[in-house]
Amino acid sequence: EIVLTQSPGTLSLSPGERATLSCRASQSVSSSYLAWYQQKPGQAPRLLIYGASSRATGIPDRFSGSGSGTDFTLTISRLEPEDFAVYYCQQYGSSSWTFGQGTKVEIK
Amino acid sequence: EVQLVQSGAEVKKPGESLKISCKGSGYSFTSYWIGWVRQMPGKGLEWMGIIYPGDSDTRYSPSFQGQVTISADKSISTAYLQWSSLKASDTAMYYCARAPNLYGMDVWGQGTTVTVSS
Repeated sequence: EIVLTQSPGTLSLSPGERATLSCRASQSVSSSYLAWYQQKPGQAPRLLIYGASSRATGIPDRFSGSGSGTDFTLTISRLEPEDFAVYYCQQYGSSSWTFGQGTKVEIK
Repeated sequence: EVQLVQSGAEVKKPGESLKISCKGSGYSFTSYWIGWVRQMPGKGLEWMGIIYPGDSDTRYSPSFQGQVTISADKSISTAYLQWSSLKASDTAMYYCARAPNLYGMDVWGQGTTVTVSS
């Protein structure tokens, strides 16, 4: 099973700042089948990025994904108040999908 | 509108059985995988397994294999997650989500809270 390790655990930033979240896989993720999700308290997760770098429908272009193989990054170019949340990466390239443990982006 | 609507909150005792549901609408239910995700209180997301309603092909996370059963009834566009004997550690929020090939999990249900307590 592929283990995904996200860092940092918590990111304390101010609105307008740039956020860089990391997701490292224990083995190569097939065909960049890597997604990112945002979850706010009391809500279901929301798909942001699929295929490592493609934005899902309706996702603002301040969200971008990059990476391949074992190292992936989610970047939020300028944080808006509504972006403070928990972010998860997920790989879906193997027969057993897995999530990372999450990165919390909090207001500094 | 593409939607997944899950069944309501459940409160059960240890040892009881349970089946929760996830009804799809607004798309061809048999053409997309449906996955189940657990979120224990205050914790992260855990992928449990996935089913293709078109032919009932099912895959489980090793962590959940043998602990739960995933099924689907394509005639009523509904997927299920069931337990034969609940434990207190099954207390969690459970989400279903549509999983188109190549796209991750793009549409999520609202979640079903399961509480197991004596």
